[in-house]
Amino acid sequence: DGGITQSPKYLFRKEGQNVTLSCEQNLNHDAMYWYRQDPGQGLRLIYYSQIVNDFQKGDIAEGYSVSREKKESFPLTVTSAQKNPTAFYLCASGFNEQFFGPGTRLTVL
Amino acid sequence: ILNVEQSPQSLHVQEGDSTNFTCSFPSSNFYALHWYRWETAKSPEALFVMTLNGDEKKKGRISATLNTKEGYSYLYIKGSQPEDSATYLCAFNDITGNQFYFGTGTSLTVIP
Repeated sequence: DGGITQSPKYLFRKEGQNVTLSCEQNLNHDAMYWYRQDPGQGLRLIYYSQIVNDFQKGDIAEGYSVSREKKESFPLTVTSAQKNPTAFYLCASGFNEQFFGPGTRLTVL
Repeated sequence: ILNVEQSPQSLHVQEGDSTNFTCSFPSSNFYALHWYRWETAKSPEALFVMTLNGDEKKKGRISATLNTKEGYSYLYIKGSQPEDSATYLCAFNDITGNQFYFGTGTSLTVIP
Protein backbone atom coordinates (compact mmCIF):
# COMPACT_ATOMS: atom_id res chain seq x y z
CA ASP A 1 0.00 0.00 0.00
CA GLY A 2 1.31 3.45 -0.88
CA GLY A 3 1.19 6.03 1.84
CA ILE A 4 2.81 7.93 4.66
CA THR A 5 3.57 6.52 8.07
CA GLN A 6 4.37 8.42 11.22
CA SER A 7 5.56 6.99 14.46
CA PRO A 8 4.89 6.94 17.27
CA LYS A 9 1.21 7.91 17.47
CA TYR A 10 1.60 9.27 21.00
CA LEU A 11 4.81 10.51 22.54
CA PHE A 12 5.59 11.79 26.00
CA ARG A 13 8.70 13.76 26.74
CA LYS A 14 10.21 15.28 29.81
CA GLU A 15 11.15 18.92 29.71
CA GLY A 16 14.68 19.44 28.46
CA GLN A 17 14.78 16.31 26.30
CA ASN A 18 15.11 16.22 22.55
CA VAL A 19 12.74 13.87 20.73
CA THR A 20 12.59 12.72 17.12
CA LEU A 21 9.37 12.09 15.20
CA SER A 22 9.52 9.70 12.29
CA CYS A 23 7.94 10.23 8.85
CA GLU A 24 8.28 7.75 6.00
CA GLN A 25 6.60 7.75 2.57
CA ASN A 26 6.61 5.26 -0.29
CA LEU A 27 4.81 7.53 -2.77
CA ASN A 28 8.06 8.51 -4.52
CA HIS A 29 7.39 12.18 -3.70
CA ASP A 30 10.24 14.66 -3.78
CA ALA A 31 8.48 17.19 -1.51
CA MET A 32 7.85 16.52 2.18
CA TYR A 33 6.48 18.77 4.91
CA TRP A 34 6.08 18.98 8.67
CA TYR A 35 3.13 20.82 10.21
CA ARG A 36 2.07 21.55 13.72
CA GLN A 37 -1.53 21.92 14.89
CA ASP A 38 -2.61 23.62 18.08
CA PRO A 39 -6.23 23.94 19.29
CA GLY A 40 -8.12 26.62 17.37
CA GLN A 41 -5.33 27.11 14.85
CA GLY A 42 -4.73 25.95 11.33
CA LEU A 43 -1.84 23.75 10.30
CA ARG A 44 1.38 25.74 10.57
CA LEU A 45 4.45 24.83 8.54
CA ILE A 46 7.58 23.92 10.48
CA TYR A 47 9.96 22.72 7.75
CA TYR A 48 9.72 21.50 4.21
CA SER A 49 12.01 19.73 1.78
CA GLN A 50 11.77 19.81 -2.00
CA ILE A 51 14.56 17.33 -2.62
CA VAL A 52 17.00 15.04 -0.84
CA ASN A 53 19.70 16.82 1.19
CA ASP A 54 17.84 20.13 1.02
CA PHE A 55 15.22 21.67 3.30
CA GLN A 56 13.81 25.11 4.17
CA LYS A 57 12.38 26.66 7.29
CA GLY A 58 8.67 27.24 7.44
CA ASP A 59 6.85 29.82 9.54
CA ILE A 60 7.61 28.29 12.96
CA ALA A 61 10.99 26.52 12.60
CA GLU A 62 12.54 27.77 15.85
CA GLY A 63 13.29 24.91 18.23
CA TYR A 64 13.00 22.24 15.53
CA SER A 65 15.47 20.52 13.22
CA VAL A 66 15.11 18.14 10.28
CA SER A 67 17.19 16.02 7.95
CA ARG A 68 16.52 14.61 4.48
CA GLU A 69 19.13 11.98 3.80
CA LYS A 70 16.75 9.71 1.89
CA LYS A 71 13.86 10.53 -0.41
CA GLU A 72 11.41 8.47 1.61
CA SER A 73 12.33 9.76 5.07
CA PHE A 74 11.98 13.20 6.72
CA PRO A 75 12.45 12.98 10.50
CA LEU A 76 11.67 15.96 12.74
CA THR A 77 13.56 16.60 15.96
CA VAL A 78 11.86 18.69 18.62
CA THR A 79 14.68 20.17 20.63
CA SER A 80 14.73 21.46 24.18
CA ALA A 81 14.84 24.97 22.68
CA GLN A 82 11.21 24.65 21.57
CA LYS A 83 9.35 26.53 24.31
CA ASN A 84 5.92 25.02 23.81
CA PRO A 85 6.30 21.62 22.13
CA THR A 86 3.03 20.00 23.22
CA ALA A 87 1.02 19.75 20.01
CA PHE A 88 -0.17 17.48 17.22
CA TYR A 89 2.40 17.01 14.44
CA LEU A 90 1.46 16.06 10.89
CA CYS A 91 3.81 15.00 8.12
CA ALA A 92 2.83 15.34 4.46
CA SER A 93 4.33 14.67 1.06
CA GLY A 94 3.53 15.75 -2.48
CA PHE A 95 3.76 19.00 -4.37
CA ASN A 96 0.55 19.64 -6.34
CA GLU A 97 -1.49 17.55 -3.92
CA GLN A 98 -0.51 16.73 -0.37
CA PHE A 99 -0.92 13.35 1.26
CA PHE A 100 -0.85 13.24 5.03
CA GLY A 101 0.32 10.78 7.63
CA PRO A 102 -1.80 9.90 10.68
CA GLY A 103 0.04 12.33 12.96
CA THR A 104 1.95 12.19 16.25
CA ARG A 105 0.61 13.74 19.42
CA LEU A 106 3.51 14.99 21.54
CA THR A 107 3.00 15.82 25.21
CA VAL A 108 5.68 17.38 27.35
CA LEU A 109 5.43 16.36 30.99
CA ILE B 1 2.73 34.44 6.66
CA LEU B 2 -0.29 34.55 4.33
CA ASN B 3 -3.74 34.77 5.86
CA VAL B 4 -6.27 32.10 4.91
CA GLU B 5 -9.61 32.37 6.69
CA GLN B 6 -12.46 29.91 6.87
CA SER B 7 -16.00 30.49 8.05
CA PRO B 8 -17.93 29.46 9.93
CA GLN B 9 -15.64 27.86 12.50
CA SER B 10 -18.22 25.17 13.22
CA LEU B 11 -21.58 24.14 11.90
CA HIS B 12 -24.31 21.75 13.01
CA VAL B 13 -26.89 20.70 10.44
CA GLN B 14 -29.67 18.14 10.28
CA GLU B 15 -29.32 15.10 8.06
CA GLY B 16 -30.60 15.98 4.59
CA ASP B 17 -29.83 19.69 4.84
CA SER B 18 -27.57 21.31 2.31
CA THR B 19 -24.78 23.50 3.59
CA ASN B 20 -21.84 25.57 2.44
CA PHE B 21 -18.77 27.20 3.88
CA THR B 22 -16.21 29.75 2.78
CA CYS B 23 -12.47 29.97 2.37
CA SER B 24 -10.89 33.43 1.87
CA PHE B 25 -7.34 33.81 0.63
CA PRO B 26 -5.03 36.47 -0.83
CA SER B 27 -6.09 37.31 -4.38
CA SER B 28 -2.57 38.17 -5.51
CA ASN B 29 0.08 35.66 -6.56
CA PHE B 30 -2.48 32.85 -6.72
CA TYR B 31 -1.37 29.39 -7.79
CA ALA B 32 -3.83 26.84 -6.38
CA LEU B 33 -6.53 26.33 -3.77
CA HIS B 34 -6.99 22.95 -2.06
CA TRP B 35 -9.87 21.50 -0.05
CA TYR B 36 -9.35 18.65 2.40
CA ARG B 37 -11.68 16.60 4.59
CA TRP B 38 -10.31 15.60 7.97
CA GLU B 39 -12.27 13.00 9.88
CA THR B 40 -11.53 12.35 13.53
CA ALA B 41 -8.68 9.85 14.07
CA LYS B 42 -7.84 9.83 10.36
CA SER B 43 -5.45 11.72 8.08
CA PRO B 44 -6.66 14.72 6.07
CA GLU B 45 -7.90 13.56 2.69
CA ALA B 46 -7.71 15.69 -0.45
CA LEU B 47 -11.08 16.64 -1.96
CA PHE B 48 -10.27 19.17 -4.68
CA VAL B 49 -7.38 21.08 -6.22
CA MET B 50 -8.52 24.20 -8.04
CA THR B 51 -6.35 26.44 -10.15
CA LEU B 52 -8.48 28.46 -12.59
CA ASN B 53 -10.76 31.38 -11.81
CA GLY B 54 -14.35 30.21 -12.19
CA ASP B 55 -13.42 26.56 -11.66
CA GLU B 56 -16.15 24.31 -10.35
CA LYS B 57 -15.38 20.82 -9.13
CA LYS B 58 -17.72 18.08 -7.98
CA LYS B 59 -17.32 14.78 -6.18
CA GLY B 60 -20.62 13.09 -5.39
CA ARG B 61 -22.66 15.42 -3.19
CA ILE B 62 -19.74 17.77 -2.58
CA SER B 63 -18.82 20.59 -4.91
CA ALA B 64 -16.57 23.65 -4.81
CA THR B 65 -16.23 26.92 -6.67
CA LEU B 66 -13.31 29.27 -7.02
CA ASN B 67 -13.02 33.04 -7.47
CA THR B 68 -9.37 34.02 -7.66
CA LYS B 69 -10.04 37.68 -8.47
CA GLU B 70 -11.81 38.31 -5.17
CA GLY B 71 -10.00 35.58 -3.24
CA TYR B 72 -12.64 33.13 -2.10
CA SER B 73 -13.82 29.57 -2.58
CA TYR B 74 -17.07 27.94 -1.50
CA LEU B 75 -17.56 24.31 -0.57
CA TYR B 76 -21.09 22.95 -0.88
CA ILE B 77 -22.52 19.75 0.52
CA LYS B 78 -25.91 18.72 -0.82
CA GLY B 79 -28.15 16.54 1.35
CA SER B 80 -25.71 16.20 4.27
CA GLN B 81 -25.25 12.75 5.77
CA PRO B 82 -23.78 11.81 9.18
CA GLU B 83 -20.69 10.44 7.42
CA ASP B 84 -19.99 13.98 6.14
CA SER B 85 -19.18 15.01 9.70
CA ALA B 86 -15.55 16.16 9.63
CA THR B 87 -13.36 19.22 9.61
CA TYR B 88 -13.01 20.77 6.16
CA LEU B 89 -9.71 22.51 5.54
CA CYS B 90 -8.70 24.78 2.72
CA ALA B 91 -5.11 25.55 1.76
CA PHE B 92 -3.65 28.19 -0.54
CA ASN B 93 -0.54 27.92 -2.70
CA ASP B 94 1.06 31.12 -3.91
CA ILE B 95 2.95 31.29 -7.22
CA THR B 96 6.10 29.82 -5.74
CA GLY B 97 4.02 26.70 -5.08
CA ASN B 98 6.42 25.70 -2.35
CA GLN B 99 4.23 26.19 0.68
CA PHE B 100 0.64 25.40 1.61
CA TYR B 101 -1.07 27.97 3.82
CA PHE B 102 -3.95 26.40 5.72
CA GLY B 103 -7.08 27.89 7.18
CA THR B 104 -8.29 26.87 10.64
CA GLY B 105 -11.01 24.68 9.18
CA THR B 106 -14.77 24.40 9.43
CA SER B 107 -16.00 21.64 11.73
CA LEU B 108 -19.20 20.11 10.38
CA THR B 109 -21.49 17.94 12.47
CA VAL B 110 -24.44 16.29 10.74
CA ILE B 111 -27.15 15.29 13.20
CA PRO B 112 -29.11 12.14 12.27
